[in-house]
Amino acid sequence: RKEVEQDPGPFNVPEGATVAFNCTYSNSASQSFFWYRQDCRKEPKLLMSVYSSGNEDGRFTAQLNRASQYISLLIRDSKLSDSATYLCVVPTSGAGSYQLTFGKGTKLSVIP
Amino acid sequence: EAQVTQNPRYLITVTGKKLTVTCSQNMNHEYMSWYRQDPGLGLRQIYYSMNVEVTDKGDVPEGYKVSRKEKRNFPLILESPSPNQTSLYFCASAYGGGFTEAFFGQGTRLTVV
Repeated sequence: RKEVEQDPGPFNVPEGATVAFNCTYSNSASQSFFWYRQDCRKEPKLLMSVYSSGNEDGRFTAQLNRASQYISLLIRDSKLSDSATYLCVVPTSGAGSYQLTFGKGTKLSVIP
Repeated sequence: EAQVTQNPRYLITVTGKKLTVTCSQNMNHEYMSWYRQDPGLGLRQIYYSMNVEVTDKGDVPEGYKVSRKEKRNFPLILESPSPNQTSLYFCASAYGGGFTEAFFGQGTRLTVV
C-alpha cells in the first residue's frame, strides 16, 4: 500500500514567521508531487506542483528529496490568510491506473 | 467558468435508501475520481475513471458504484447507504492524470441515519 505521511500539526505561528511542513512517501516510483491547500469544509485547491528538485512561488517553496523520499513546504512571512490545512498529494498514474494518495494534512493557524 | 459541480451539497438520508450524487465538469477532462474525507483519516479515493466507460476501484470502493457514460459526468451511487458512509464527499477531474492539477467540486456532506 502506498503511504503518505505528514507532520501531524497543528502549527500555530505568529504573523511574519517562517514555517515548514514535511511529507514522506513510500512509493519510490512516484514522479510528481503536489501540495494542496484546504480551507475548513471547503474543497482542496492546488498550491504547488513539484516535478524535479523543487519549486518556488512567491513566499512558498517546495523541495523534493528523492533519495530520502520526502517533500517539504516552506512558507515565509506567514499571513493570517495562510491559515488552512495543507495536504501533501502523491499521484500514481499510468499503466491503466490513476490514484491520488493524500496525506492526512497539516493544519496551520497564523495568529496576529 | 471552468468548474466541477456536485449535487446535492448537503443530504440527509435513511439507511438503505438508494441515492446518487452527481458530478459534472466542463473542462473536457478525461480523468475523474471520487473521494471521501473523514476526520483523522484524510481524503481517500473511492473510484476513478480514466475515460468514458473506463472505471476502476480506489482504496475504499465497498458500498459504492460509479458510471461514466459521458465524458463530463461521473455520478456516485450508493445502492444501500449505511451510517458508516456518513462523510464529506468530493469529486475531482484532471486533464492529464497524475501529472496534472486535480480540480475539485465543492463537496457533498452526506449523513446517513
